[in-house]
Amino acid sequence: SAVISQKPSRDICQRGTSLTIQCQVDSQVTMMFWYRQQPGQSLTLIATANQGSEATYESGFVIDKFPISRPNLTFSTLTVSNMSPEDSSIYLCSVEKSGGETQYFGPGTRLLVL
Amino acid sequence: GENVEQHPSTLSVQEGDSAVIKCTYSDSASNYFPWYKQELGKGPQLIIDIRSNVGEKKDQRIAVTLNKTAKHFSLHITETQPEDSAVYFCAASTSGTYKYIFGTGTRLKVLA
Repeated sequence: SAVISQKPSRDICQRGTSLTIQCQVDSQVTMMFWYRQQPGQSLTLIATANQGSEATYESGFVIDKFPISRPNLTFSTLTVSNMSPEDSSIYLCSVEKSGGETQYFGPGTRLLVL
Repeated sequence: GENVEQHPSTLSVQEGDSAVIKCTYSDSASNYFPWYKQELGKGPQLIIDIRSNVGEKKDQRIAVTLNKTAKHFSLHITETQPEDSAVYFCAASTSGTYKYIFGTGTRLKVLA
């Protein structure tokens, strides 16, 4: 498995502002992912964070709204830009270690946009 | 497109009884099926997984069964305890794609 931490754990933000969420893993991992979980809903993949190259975004998510960085094999950030109340969600990072299929999730960042 | 249906959406059982959650997937190429438990205020935690070359897998009170022909898989929890109360998600994935398709979740409540 993997030990994953996210910062901040929760935040309340004003509309129009941006928030950067950090994800740190205790060991090097091949793949890192960012998910959104809207209140009472399932998990939706936002993008795959690629080390040394641009993230790969899923349909419905764009880089201008959710810029992602992955400077090394243990760390990634997701920025939620120009926030609106519809962005209120739990944002989760997950990792997949080399040679495996299993994803392990961080504790999540609970975001409320007013 | 690919999707995973999960039933029921809510499930209440008496402590000590069994709970069964079922998922059906659409992509016949799917070959890896993890189950996650999400407690309130926490991230999803992997509890068991199964690959398509196996029909059943057990880990103490938890078991998963897979029917590839019917494209469905189920989570079985025996001797339920109040600490089993959580939201459970199934997922389906295909090797090499790194992409999970999640079910809609089942809120399990174990009544003491």
